[in-house]
Parts: sequence; structure tokens; C-alpha cells
Amino acid sequence: QKEVEQNSGPLSVPEGAIASLNCTYSDQGSQSFFWYRQYSGKSPELIMFIYSNGDKEDGRFTAQLNKASQYVSLLIRDSQPSDSATYLCAVQNPPGGSYIPTFGRGTSLIVHP
Amino acid sequence: EAGVTQSPTHLIKTRGQQATLRCSPISGHTSVYWYQQALGLGLQFLLWYDEGEERNRGNFPPRFSGRQFPNYSSELNVNALELEDSALYLCASSFGGDPGYTFGSGTRLTVV
Repeated sequence: QKEVEQNSGPLSVPEGAIASLNCTYSDQGSQSFFWYRQYSGKSPELIMFIYSNGDKEDGRFTAQLNKASQYVSLLIRDSQPSDSATYLCAVQNPPGGSYIPTFGRGTSLIVHP
Repeated sequence: EAGVTQSPTHLIKTRGQQATLRCSPISGHTSVYWYQQALGLGLQFLLWYDEGEERNRGNFPPRFSGRQFPNYSSELNVNALELEDSALYLCASSFGGDPGYTFGSGTRLTVV
């Protein structure tokens, strides 16, 4: 049973702070990792993906991957109230596996002014 | 470019009835995925269609079924509706090596 674990939160941070969202996964064969943002009542939107160990930066967002420890994290710098949403971590096997990503339940982030 | 479109937006059905949900993928995308998102739960994978064929199925009973048409649009059918089928049903599409999915806005199914 492949599992993806996230702290449900809510994680509350002040505006301008760094928000750190974490995700652990059980399947060592996982090779693709995604972060989706889901605003209340809306559908998930892909914001970051990472395949290799280390950091990947895109604007205010940084994804960090550590395959040896089986965790992936998302850092949001200079957090804004508009970043308040649920962040879903998804983990996928390579083609040839099930090829269907497993989603965590998400972490609720609240950025307060 | 139009995104993934789903219809209807909301659907209210009575227990025991059948529901049909529809999805049109992004133009050029051949894969369609269906997910269920019940309140307080994560995204649960239902079905994957590619090139008209069912490629994978999640851990759901057979009363959840669907199909993909030659134009790559897809239909999800839920028979013998139960109260616990009330959820947001999301359709997503993808193409080839593109990372991740693009989700539609979903169909909110309420079973009363």
C-alpha cells in the first residue's frame, strides 16, 4: 500500500514569513513528485514538480527532495494571504509502474496579515 | 486554449439512482483521469482512460464505471448511488511526458 503523509494543519504563518510544508512517502520506487495548490471550493492546480534530489526554485516557491529519507517539502517565501489554500503532495512511480500518482490529504495553510 | 471542462457543475440525486458525469480534456490530451474527493479525504483515484481504453482502475466497486469516446472526452457513471458517494468528482487530463495533471473544476455530486 503506497502512502503519502502530510500534516493536515492548519499551518498558520504571518504575512512575509516562510511557510514550510512537508510530505513523506512510503514507496521507495517513487520518482516523480508534485505539489498542487487547492483553494477552497476549487480544483487542484499544479504549482511545482521535482524529479531529482535537491532543491528546485520557481519564484517564491522551492521544492526540496530527499529520496534517501523519502520526504519532499515545499517552501513558500514571503508568504501572502493569497497563498492561503490546501497544498497537496503527489508521488508517482515511473512509467511501467502503476503510473498513477498517490495524493496526500493535504496541508491547510493560512497566511494572516 | 480551453482547459479541462466538466459538466454538470452540481448534481443532486436520490439514493439508488444513477449519475452521469462528463469531462472534456484539453485539446490534444489523450489521457483522462477521474478522482473522487470526499469531504475530509484526499483525492482517491477512480479510473484512467487513454486512447479509448481503460488503463487502470482504483479501489472502487464496479458500480463506478466509465468510458472514453473517440474525441477523448469521457463519461463517469455511478450506478445505485449511495449517500457516501456524495463528493467532488474531478477529471484531469495529461499528455505524454508533461508533468502532472490539469484538473477540471469538478462536479459536486450530492446524494440525498
